Amino acid sequence: QVSLRESGPALVKPTETLTLTCAFSGFSLSSSGVSVNWVRQPPGKALEWLAAIDWEDDKFYSTSLRTRLTISKDTSKSQVVLTLTNMAPADTATYYCARADGLNFGFDIWGPGTTVAVSS
Amino acid sequence: SYELTQPPSVSVSPGQTARIPCSGETLPKQYTFWYQQKPGQAPVLVINADTERPSGITERLSASSSGTTVTLTITGVQAEDEADYYCQSADSSGIWVFGGGTKLTVL
Repeated sequence: QVSLRESGPALVKPTETLTLTCAFSGFSLSSSGVSVNWVRQPPGKALEWLAAIDWEDDKFYSTSLRTRLTISKDTSKSQVVLTLTNMAPADTATYYCARADGLNFGFDIWGPGTTVAVSS
Repeated sequence: SYELTQPPSVSVSPGQTARIPCSGETLPKQYTFWYQQKPGQAPVLVINADTERPSGITERLSASSSGTTVTLTITGVQAEDEADYYCQSADSSGIWVFGGGTKLTVL
């Protein structure tokens, strides 16, 4: 059974760096075409795609946030890690990780999300 | 930056047909995906690669395109269809983008 689950701090201070982990099971990030994506959703607002890492370790970032984002994977641990630097209140959101099971495939399996608040 | 445009809200009565448009310059050249999100839940993929319904998704959902607009159609709308719907596609660089979302209200 394919599943993903996000983990990380529920509260961070402004200017701090956020580190989120996506632990997944039931699939391999070494399989051709597979990618893990991060998406966030501020309260009451729309989904925003942040970053992706694929089976070849290629990394892709949101144009507007690329200078603050880093994505990496640990295939042996079945984990993907996202860092977002210089956190601000506008970064308060639910952060999701989601799998795409091939090129030109949508995000077919999502984690339940983890809520992050930014406040001093 | 690239944008996908959706109406904020669509309202229909039960049994009617709901149509949710999504507009974007690169839609004729890139695949479009649709997600349904209910309150407090993660999104669910309901249309894959323009027109494909993933396993378990009702046949009442379909998608079509015309020029730079793709449309999600829900026939025979039921109370359970009330949700937010998001389109997703890629910009000219292949970077993913979501639309602003459409709240479907069943009257």
